[in-house]
Amino acid sequence: AQSVTQLDSQVPVFEEAPVELRCNYSSSVSVYLFWYVQYPNQGLQLLLKYLSGSTLVKGINGFEAEFNKSQTSFHLRKPSVHISDTAEYFCAVSETNQGGKLIFGQGTELSVKP
Amino acid sequence: DTGVSQDPRHKITKRGQNVTFRCDPISEHNRLYWYRQTLGQGPEFLTYFQNEAQLEKSRLLSDRFSAERPKGSFSTLEIQRTEQGDSAMYLCASSTQGRETQYFGPGTRLLVL
Repeated sequence: AQSVTQLDSQVPVFEEAPVELRCNYSSSVSVYLFWYVQYPNQGLQLLLKYLSGSTLVKGINGFEAEFNKSQTSFHLRKPSVHISDTAEYFCAVSETNQGGKLIFGQGTELSVKP
Repeated sequence: DTGVSQDPRHKITKRGQNVTFRCDPISEHNRLYWYRQTLGQGPEFLTYFQNEAQLEKSRLLSDRFSAERPKGSFSTLEIQRTEQGDSAMYLCASSTQGRETQYFGPGTRLLVL
């Protein structure tokens, strides 16, 4: 069965510092990988996705992530964070050709301090 | 593209009452998904439709839960005889078959007293 582990439940960081949010997954088949962001009392917004091709994917708001198949990881990075990046971040996977249902990690709360 | 909409945004009900939520997907999307998110957790898959057919249901979806998508457009999720454990955010998402990105609505937050 698929599962997603986000290794940090909370990540505090100062403004303009770099940040990495870690995500590992397990699956016996090929997967698609996603990062979503959720602001308080809102739905989820897609940051970026890996479907195939280049393992380094760039998303919105300056975020990027790298797919590492051997380590089954898909860590999210940003070189310089802003106060407005404060939010909950979710990593998710879906199995290819399986209807697209997403399996989510438990989330990482990113808190950017001035 | 008006996005995915959900109604109501908030619902407070008493234990034992029935509630129904509505989701309107992006108009050209033929897949529609329901997820449940409890406080401090990631969303959990409940069920999904391709057009009007319900193709998969999670074991999380007890007999008290039913979902429909009668004309392949909007969907409803009904919870009968609500329990306090049903308190959660119910999220709807839509996508196009063959394109893997799901677009989420703002959610319906349910509180069962």
